Amino acid sequence: KAGVTQTPRYLIKTRGQQVTLSCSPISGHRSVSWYQQTPGQGLQFLFEYFSETQRNKGNFPGRFSGRQFSNSRSEMNVSTLELGDSALYLCASSTGQNEQFFGPGTRLTVL
Amino acid sequence: GENVEQHPSTLSVQEGDSAVIKCTYSDSASNYFPWYKQELGKRPQLIIDIRSNVGEKKDQRIAVTLNKTAKHFSLHITETQPEDSAVYFCAASLSPDSSYKLIFGSGTRLLVRP
Repeated sequence: KAGVTQTPRYLIKTRGQQVTLSCSPISGHRSVSWYQQTPGQGLQFLFEYFSETQRNKGNFPGRFSGRQFSNSRSEMNVSTLELGDSALYLCASSTGQNEQFFGPGTRLTVL
Repeated sequence: GENVEQHPSTLSVQEGDSAVIKCTYSDSASNYFPWYKQELGKRPQLIIDIRSNVGEKKDQRIAVTLNKTAKHFSLHITETQPEDSAVYFCAASLSPDSSYKLIFGSGTRLLVRP
């Protein structure tokens, strides 16, 4: 089976812009979670989707949003970008009952 | 709020020695505890996990122990090898059956000296 894929892999934006990141889970996986990884804050949970429904949400401002499509692919959106949003954004997929498999991440740089 | 504390932040051992990393979680409802290894520039990879109905789990040179009463869990790596050098993260979550919300520790940078 193909692994979790994320696009784009690298992204450079300026403050105030918005960005959309995409995640394609492993075939058959219905759960997709998103995490933000920074040197200062480590790995932080953003949200989890299961069968198109958000099941859980982390402590991030409303500028961070996501959605999941019927084919389990997921997108996350960040509006009004701030310098502090520069990070590696990781998605992970699961059947919903077992381990999560991480994608390679999208490296977002906000200038 | 939910929190996972991880110690030490860095650990240097001689090849062949054992390494122990400890974590403490705050949410008593947590019952799923995975450990991830992340090499430089790569994605986190699960190395072992344990659920709350089990006190210990072993997979070759890696073992995890869980003390639910004390809300502690630990990773033990025996006979360390240079390729074990990486950053290790512990995490805690409710059962994946109900929701995946992994709360991660801050990571331990393990260096195995040849």
